[in-house]
Amino acid sequence: EPEVTQTPSHQVTQMGQEVILRCVPISNHLYFYWYRQILGQKVEFLVSFYNNEISEKSEIFDDQFSVERPDGSNFTLKIRSTKLEDSAMYFCASSRNGGRANTGELFFGEGSRLTVL
Amino acid sequence: GQQVMQIPQYQHVQEGEDFTTYCNSSTTLSNIQWYKQRPGGHPVFLIQLVKSGEVKKQKRLTFQFGEAKKNSSLHITATQTTDVGTYFCAGRNRDDKIIFGKGTRLHILP
Repeated sequence: EPEVTQTPSHQVTQMGQEVILRCVPISNHLYFYWYRQILGQKVEFLVSFYNNEISEKSEIFDDQFSVERPDGSNFTLKIRSTKLEDSAMYFCASSRNGGRANTGELFFGEGSRLTVL
Repeated sequence: GQQVMQIPQYQHVQEGEDFTTYCNSSTTLSNIQWYKQRPGGHPVFLIQLVKSGEVKKQKRLTFQFGEAKKNSSLHITATQTTDVGTYFCAGRNRDDKIIFGKGTRLHILP
């Protein structure tokens, strides 16, 4: 069964360092998302991406965050200068359908746990 | 901004008892999805409801979408230990943003 894969599974970094989290969405999916989940809390929307551009972003997704689809298969989330409060599990998700006529379920990856010291 | 409220936050039930979690949105939704996250795992899609007043069943799980498309519920009949986890509703608004509720963590007492 096709799945969304994420790397690394766990990253420990010093405050102020740049981090790149990588995702390989399911191959025929067109819509891509990043969510984060602080330990024990809800899943929070960060950003959605379609047709090589951001379609929606939340207030969490400030100038420190960026996303990229560099090569047609990977979908990356970059945090430029990490803060302690960025420590969380980051989930990538993809869906085949989306947009205003959407009916698409989200397929989540296993997540990348980011620990900022 | 749009809020999706989910209650209760935690629920402990005896195995065999029923369980219900409720979801309320501050705005009308295009659709609502339900996900289950096992401890230490990632959210896994359960179902999507699109139509006003829709009811769908999956074995012991019953999902409802309110007439106004602003609320939804998930009911589990006769819980089993495999039902343990956190159940999230996720509402998709007219701007295509999927907003998750805070989730209801279900714990089953043997």
